[in-house]
Amino acid sequence: QVQLVQSGAEVKKPGASVKVSCKSSGYTLPTYAMHWVRQAPGQTLEWLAWINPRNGNTIYSQKFQGRVTITRDTSATTVYMELSSLRYEDTAVYYCAMGAYYNYEYWGQGTLVTVSS
Amino acid sequence: DIQMTQSPSSLSASVGDRVTITCRTSQSISSYLNWYQQRPGKAPKLLIYAASSLQSGVPSRFSGSGSGTDFTLTISSLQLEDFATYYCQQSFSTPVTFGPGTKVDIK
Repeated sequence: QVQLVQSGAEVKKPGASVKVSCKSSGYTLPTYAMHWVRQAPGQTLEWLAWINPRNGNTIYSQKFQGRVTITRDTSATTVYMELSSLRYEDTAVYYCAMGAYYNYEYWGQGTLVTVSS
Repeated sequence: DIQMTQSPSSLSASVGDRVTITCRTSQSISSYLNWYQQRPGKAPKLLIYAASSLQSGVPSRFSGSGSGTDFTLTISSLQLEDFATYYCQQSFSTPVTFGPGTKVDIK
């Protein structure tokens, strides 16, 4: 049973950075890329980036290029999403998600990031 | 970026009703279209992938159709647990984009 478990809620000031983790379990080798998707309050879903846990290759949305960094630990079972230069409009629930190609079969529980002064 | 639209944005229906939600893309995406269900406070759940393939474990009352730019999600007989928001998502090219959502609530 594949599980994705994310780190807890964060409150950050504008201009700060936040780092959210996503730990995967239930399979022996990371088969799929790990994606990050966010959802602002009352809004639709927005894709940020993905990482191939096997080799660390990444692809970022142009919108977040330069502000978002995706990394993984050496065991390749934990992936991190760091978003810098936070703005009020970055307040959202951030999800890690995984599946074949871009079909997100598995999701983390979500991490609420609140940007507030 | 590929733009997504959904209609209607919301609908009210009764248990047992047949419900149809439409998704349109700004350019042809072949069959690279997925559908998700999201309940309040929960992560989305994959229902349909590749426009018409039912995800494992999803009830057969859910079905998807379409290709190119026009797609449909149908719930043949609405159940209480189906009251939620539904999103389409294109997986044809990055950035992956999602529709604005269709909220299905109880009439």
